[in-house]
Amino acid sequence: GENVEQHPSTLSVQEGDSAVIKCTYSDSASNYFPWYKQELGKRPQLIIDIRSNVGEKKDQRIAVTLNKTAKHFSLHITETQPEDSAVYFCAAIKDTGFQKLVFGTGTRLLVSP
Amino acid sequence: NAGVTQTPKFQVLKTGQSMTLQCAQDMNHEYMSWYRQDPGMGLRLIHYSVGAGITDQGEVPNGYNVSRSTTEDFPLRLLSAAPSQTSVYFCASSYSGLAGVDGELFFGEGSRLTVL
Repeated sequence: GENVEQHPSTLSVQEGDSAVIKCTYSDSASNYFPWYKQELGKRPQLIIDIRSNVGEKKDQRIAVTLNKTAKHFSLHITETQPEDSAVYFCAAIKDTGFQKLVFGTGTRLLVSP
Repeated sequence: NAGVTQTPKFQVLKTGQSMTLQCAQDMNHEYMSWYRQDPGMGLRLIHYSVGAGITDQGEVPNGYNVSRSTTEDFPLRLLSAAPSQTSVYFCASSYSGLAGVDGELFFGEGSRLTVL
């Protein structure tokens, strides 16, 4: 089955800096990669996703890149703000048959003012 | 439109007790699932359902039962609670598959369970 590794487990940056979180997956057939953000004590919420037929996707200050050959994908947050502080989870899935997301172990991002 | 509602938000149990975590969604989603969240381990799938009357096991099903008698409700039952089941539990639903492909996986607010 699919296995997703996520690094780093914690990341501290200064406000205005960029943050990068990386994930690797094991199943080359996986073709959909969402990212979820979980603020302290809150529910995870989808912030961006990418399909395997796209190399990069942007939404304002966040972007996701995908390298299918190396089987890794990354979340990039530019001009970080304190409200970006949260736990971020990557996930991978093969969108055929029964769909069961496999999540990474999470990255705690702390943005200091 | 309340989305996904979980109850209770907090619960303390003694080893061996049983309980049910309730999950209800009002979005007419066919797909529902239960995850547990443990420090350093991310979100792991316990059980899932692709429609009323249909359930199946996820990655960590032992010690839990589910049923799906209606589209709206997907309760999770702990049969005989153990300290290893201390965790935060999330129910989720989506309209486009368990993973929310081409759509979002909507999570409830979570239920924090402590087993003593």
